[in-house]
Amino acid sequence: DTAVSQTPKYLVTQMGNDKSIKCEQNLGHDTMYWYKQDSKKFLKIMFSYNNKELIINETVPNRFSPKSPDKAHLNLHINSLELGDSAVYFCASSQWTSGRETQYFGPGTRLLVL
Amino acid sequence: DQQVKQNSPSLSVQEGRISILNCDYTNSMFDYFLWYKKYPAEGPTFLISISSIKDKNEDGRFTVFLNKSAKHLSLHIVPSQPGDSAVYFCAATASGTYKYIFGTGTRLKVLA
Repeated sequence: DTAVSQTPKYLVTQMGNDKSIKCEQNLGHDTMYWYKQDSKKFLKIMFSYNNKELIINETVPNRFSPKSPDKAHLNLHINSLELGDSAVYFCASSQWTSGRETQYFGPGTRLLVL
Repeated sequence: DQQVKQNSPSLSVQEGRISILNCDYTNSMFDYFLWYKKYPAEGPTFLISISSIKDKNEDGRFTVFLNKSAKHLSLHIVPSQPGDSAVYFCAATASGTYKYIFGTGTRLKVLA
């Protein structure tokens, strides 16, 4: 009964390829996010979606395209992968309840671009 | 432009003692703060949060203190246990922006 799941957990690919990472949450949350954790361990927000609408796009290259087919899913498609895209990508979801919001994170997808 | 900073990359504490993790922020619009714990190869796990209308929030062994004038928050863990060894991230947001800014993390090691 995983709350936020991501697939795949590991992804090794060549430069120039196109790849997708899938995220699903079963918490009934309205808001979902993608974060990137780089080699320096900075955890930076990339996108946030609320009720399937894009809310935040943090100056991410347009090679990255999130897609939210429904409130429970937020997938990340990456075109023309570059070496600098190697990182751990975390999906998260959240909901404001009683003046408090908690983000729940997935286990991460470790992307290595060769 | 790191709006949320954790200036101590690592901290070692003896089991049973208090662990104090610190976090500073620069953006006065932030009004909600969270602490997360992260084990290797796992996603961050929510620990405790605090709204800017409070200066303290307690949950079991974990207490978060917020000093708005100093733009500083801290997480106290008492008593520290070996299972608390992990990387701790603080995060901040301005309500309604759907944008969370994370600190760089502090690696806590609790020695048995």
